[in-house]
Amino acid sequence: QVHLVESGGGVVQPGGSLRLSCAASGFTLSSYGMHWVRQAPGNGLEWVAFTRYDGSNEYYADSVKGRFTISRDNSKNTQYLQMNSLRAEDTAVYYCARGSGLSYFDYWGQGTLVTVSS
Amino acid sequence: EIVLTQSPATLSLSPGERATLSCRASQSVGSYLAWYQQKPGQAPRLLIYDASKRATGIPARFSGSGSGTDFTLTISSLEPEDFAVYYCQQRYNWPPLTFGGGTKVEIK
Repeated sequence: QVHLVESGGGVVQPGGSLRLSCAASGFTLSSYGMHWVRQAPGNGLEWVAFTRYDGSNEYYADSVKGRFTISRDNSKNTQYLQMNSLRAEDTAVYYCARGSGLSYFDYWGQGTLVTVSS
Repeated sequence: EIVLTQSPATLSLSPGERATLSCRASQSVGSYLAWYQQKPGQAPRLLIYDASKRATGIPARFSGSGSGTDFTLTISSLEPEDFAVYYCQQRYNWPPLTFGGGTKVEIK
């Protein structure tokens, strides 16, 4: 059974950094593209970043480009989201999601809350 | 960037009724559109992909239709567990992948 478990969320001051992790089980991470999607409190869904199955390509939303970095360690079945220069508008639940056909999301984690506040 | 507009924002219906949700794209997305269901405090769940294909384990009362710029998600007879927020998402032209703003299906 596919499971995705995010961790690393918390409260951080504006300008600070945080690293999220997503532990995958029940499938071979190296066979799938993976995404991060976020949802600000009371708002809709926003795609954040994508990494190909082998980590050879990365794509980002304009709102995070240059500040966030997606990466993966297939040997550990884990993907990451390094978030730097955090802003109040980055406050959201961050979901890890498996790519289906690259760019639909067929499995999601439970999410981890990131709060950027002084 | 392709903008997806969902309507209505809120749909008030009773169990057993038919729900019809709309998603309109700012430009053609072919058939590269998906629908997700999200309940409070939960992650979204993939319902429909490629406009009309049901994802694994999704009941037959959920169906999708449309192509180009106009899409519809239909729930033929609402069950109590179907009251939730529904999002459409396109993958025709990305990055970025984009979502609609959501339709909340609430109990009347």
